[in-house]
Order: sequence, then C-alpha cells, then structure tokens
Amino acid sequence: GENVEQHPSTLSVQEGDSAVIKCTYSDSASNYFPWYKQELGKRPQLIIDIRSNVGEKKDQRIAVTLNKTAKHFSLHITETQPEDSAVYFCAASLGGGQNFVFGPGTRLSVLP
Amino acid sequence: GAVVSQHPSWVICKSGTSVKIECRSLDFQATTMFWYRQFPKQSLMLMATSNEGSKATYEQGVEKDKFLINHASLTLSTLTVTSAHPEDSSFYICSASPSGSYEQFFGPGTRLTVL
Repeated sequence: GENVEQHPSTLSVQEGDSAVIKCTYSDSASNYFPWYKQELGKRPQLIIDIRSNVGEKKDQRIAVTLNKTAKHFSLHITETQPEDSAVYFCAASLGGGQNFVFGPGTRLSVLP
Repeated sequence: GAVVSQHPSWVICKSGTSVKIECRSLDFQATTMFWYRQFPKQSLMLMATSNEGSKATYEQGVEKDKFLINHASLTLSTLTVTSAHPEDSSFYICSASPSGSYEQFFGPGTRLTVL
C-alpha cells in the first residue's frame, strides 16, 4: 500500500523567511497530492494541491513542486507570517483514487 | 462553497453507550465521504470510506461492527460508535468529496470522550 513520509516533523523559521516541507510517497499510481493546514483544534484546510501531470503550482506565497520520477513533492511558503504557524499535512491519493494517505505532519512555527 | 458540517462538535458519554456523529455536505453533493480518526499531535488515520447507497469500505484494523457507517443520501453520512469504551476517545473528522472530484473538504471534527 501507499506510504507517505514527511520531513521535518517540526520547523521553526523567522518571520519573513521561507519554509520548505518535503514528502515522499511509494505508490507510483498516485496522481493527486494535496496539502492541508490544520490549526489547533480546527479542521484541516486545503491550501494547495497538484496533479501528477504538473510539475509545479503556485498560489501567492505558497507553491508546490512534484517530482514524479523521484516520488517526492514539496511545499514552499515564502515570506512567512505568524499566522502561517500550524501543522501541515501532505497526502497522496491511494492508487490514483479518491482515498488519501496522509503524511505524519509538520509543525511549523513562525517566530515574530 | 464546499462547506462540510459535523455534529456534534464534542460529546462525553459513559462507557458502553453508543454515539452517533453526523457529517453533512451543505452546498454540494458528495458521492463519497470519508471518516478519519486523529489522536493528539498525530496525523489523520482513515477509518472508512462511505459511499452513498452502498456499504462502507473499512480500513484494515477498523471493526465495522463497532463503527457503523450509513451514507443514506448525497449530503449525509453518519458514524455510530457502538458500545464505546475509553480507548475510543479521540477526535473524529469526516470529509466529503464533490462528485467527480479528487478534493476532500473536511468537517470541523467531533471530540469524543468516553468515561
């Protein structure tokens, strides 16, 4: 089955710096890779996603890159702000279907 | 758009009782809904996939007789935790996928505490 790894588990950056979170997956059939942001006690919110036919996608300060050959994808946040502090989860679609396997999460802290 | 509600938001019950959690897609139809369990400071673990009009598909290790799922309409799925025990205490989150979409939109979660 699919296995998704995520690094680092915790990340602290100074406000204004960039943050990068990396995920790897094992199932070559996976074709959809969303990223979720979860604040304490709240629901996960989809922040960006990418499909396997695209190598990079950007939305303002957030970007995601995908390397299908190496089976890894990364989340890039530029000009970080304190409100970016949260736990971020990557996910990969299981067998290219609708089911997701989530990574273990990265706790991002943006220090003022 | 793509709003998912979940009810109740938190519940405390006695050991041995059953608890029903509702998940609703408010502004879209969801052929598929998902139920997750999340322990403190951990990731989301998929429990089951709920398909409208058919039996739910459970993940390995999840007891289908203990976690009853009903997806009776395109906007409502329910999870019933039967004969709850303290080890069932957790944060249960549902998500819904608009028909034909890969995206999953999450409900706010239900915090279950079994005494």
